Amino acid sequence: LAKTTQPISMDSYEGQEVNITCSHNNIATNDYITWYQQFPSQGPRFIIQGYKTKVTNEVASLFIPADRKSSTLSLPRVSLSDTAVYYCLVGDGSGGGADGLTFGKGTHLIIQP
Amino acid sequence: DTGVSQNPRHKITKRGQNVTFRCDPISEHNRLYWYRQTLGQGPEFLTYFQNEAQLEKSRLLSDRFSAERPKGSFSTLEIQRTEQGDSAMYLCASSLGRGLAGYEQYFGPGTRLTVT
Repeated sequence: LAKTTQPISMDSYEGQEVNITCSHNNIATNDYITWYQQFPSQGPRFIIQGYKTKVTNEVASLFIPADRKSSTLSLPRVSLSDTAVYYCLVGDGSGGGADGLTFGKGTHLIIQP
Repeated sequence: DTGVSQNPRHKITKRGQNVTFRCDPISEHNRLYWYRQTLGQGPEFLTYFQNEAQLEKSRLLSDRFSAERPKGSFSTLEIQRTEQGDSAMYLCASSLGRGLAGYEQYFGPGTRLTVT
């Protein structure tokens, strides 16, 4: 059962780059790493997904070292609206087994002016 | 298609009553998931469907909970004999199952249940 560990909370300021690291020491060969964002009273929203090295989209970048035992979500130039809870998930997408559907408590990111 | 929709958005019920929630996924998505979320916690997996087949249920899902997806489109989640501990946000998500491509789930706004 692939388990993830994230910081409970982080603070930063507008315009800064924020990096949130997730540990997943027991990641399996077929597992992907997926990050979600959740605002209060809303469902989570998919941010980014990767398998190895670096993935970048219009919202964030995801850095995955060669051993894949951790990953770092990078949010460039954050704004107040990036204040949210960020979840890291690990799973193989096969749909079997609930391990890839375990959100944990996430990281509560607070952006200050 | 504007995304995953859930109805009702809020439900207040008395302990012991039955409640039913509905989820309409994104039309071409073959996978549908139900989660429960309480304050300060991440979403907790309850069950999931691939088309009309219910493929997995969490051990946390008591026999008071039942879910259906009769035609592989919308889904309903019913809670019988509600208890105060059932008070939570119930989230539905859908995805296009892509095998090893990982999880990219699209969530609805949720149904907030309050049991008094």
